[in-house]
Amino acid sequence: GENVEQHPSTLSVQEGDSAVIKCTYSDSASNYFPWYKQELGKRPQLIIDIRSNVGEKKDQRIAVTLNKTAKHFSLHITETQPEDSAVYFCAASPVNNDMRFGAGTRLTVKP
Amino acid sequence: DVKVTQSSRYLVKRTGEKVFLECVQDMDHENMFWYRQDPGLGLRLIYFSYDVKMKEKGDIPEGYSVSREKKERFSLILESASTNQTSMYLCATTRDPYEQYFGPGTRLTVT
Repeated sequence: GENVEQHPSTLSVQEGDSAVIKCTYSDSASNYFPWYKQELGKRPQLIIDIRSNVGEKKDQRIAVTLNKTAKHFSLHITETQPEDSAVYFCAASPVNNDMRFGAGTRLTVKP
Repeated sequence: DVKVTQSSRYLVKRTGEKVFLECVQDMDHENMFWYRQDPGLGLRLIYFSYDVKMKEKGDIPEGYSVSREKKERFSLILESASTNQTSMYLCATTRDPYEQYFGPGTRLTVT
């Protein structure tokens, strides 16, 4: 089955700086790569996703890049704000919907 | 909006008890999932279901079983609760093999 590794486990940045979280996956059949944000005490919510036929996707201050050859994908947050502080999870899913999540990155944005 | 509800937000059970966690969704989604969330381990898939009366094991099914008698309801059963099953349990649902919608979670403590 799919195995997803996520780094770093914790990340602390100054407000306004950029944050990058990286994930690798093992199953070359995976074709869908979502990122979820989980604020304290709340459920995970999708913030951005990318499919395997696309190399990069951007939505305002967040972007995701995918390198299928190397089997890794990354989340980029620019101009970070305190409200970006949360735990972020990457995931990978092959066509049979057997989604697997990374261990999570706790992002802290210091004002 | 997709609504996914879980029967309890907090639950305290004793070792050896049989525990039922229920998840209900109102969007007629085919696929439903149960995860447990532990610090540093992310979201780990316990069981999932593609359709009524169908179930598939995830990565950590030992000590758990599931039931899906109706499309909207997916139950997780701890046959004989143990202290190492103390965790946050999250239910999720999806129509497509893509975005998952999460319930609010049930924090289970086994004493």
